[in-house]
Amino acid sequence: GAGVSQSPSNKVTEKGKDVELRCDPISGHTALYWYRQSLGQGLEFLIYFQGNSAPDKSGLPSDRFSAERTGGSVSTLTIQRTQQEDSAVYLCASSSSYLKTDEQYFGPGTRLTVT
Amino acid sequence: AQSVTQLDSQVPVFEEAPVELRCNYSSSVSVYLFWYVQYPNQGLQLLLKYLSGSTLVESINGFEAEFNKSQTSFHLRKPSVHISDTAEYFCAVSEPNFGNEKLTFGTGTRLTIIP
Repeated sequence: GAGVSQSPSNKVTEKGKDVELRCDPISGHTALYWYRQSLGQGLEFLIYFQGNSAPDKSGLPSDRFSAERTGGSVSTLTIQRTQQEDSAVYLCASSSSYLKTDEQYFGPGTRLTVT
Repeated sequence: AQSVTQLDSQVPVFEEAPVELRCNYSSSVSVYLFWYVQYPNQGLQLLLKYLSGSTLVESINGFEAEFNKSQTSFHLRKPSVHISDTAEYFCAVSEPNFGNEKLTFGTGTRLTIIP
């Protein structure tokens, strides 16, 4: 079946612009995660959605970052007033339930470059 | 807070030689442990995981890892590597509580196989 998909695959934007990154999780997966992979920082957790519960936003690095998940499926990560330090690969993952034994399936990522 | 240390950022190994990729973690509670692999130009894939039970876990492609609670380690080993094992390997932990199952990753180890 289809895996986690993300769009766009690459995004180049100018400093100060807003960007939106999209994630389509595996159908039926209730948990959705955003991570960021950047040089020097490795892979960092950003935000977590589980069903209809309030998201865990504890990993968002600043208030310029926000995310929403509509209808319990597609998620959008928005970065406002982008800065050069936002350049990274943004990864989305989904899993089938809140049980920790369930594997997280990762998408291919969106490579964001802020010039 | 939990953390993961991968001391080796790059490991070159001759083909058919054994390899060990080191991973140490710290956590105030019990953890689940994972190794993820990222092949060139591909997304993250789960390689193996330790949740409970036998401390030695294996993957389908010959890798194994052993959970050592006293040394807080989860080193990844393979007795004989192939060219196809060239990839970046990430160790990760999560805490088995209901709620956010975020993964905390190490900074990764790039395994290069020398023909």
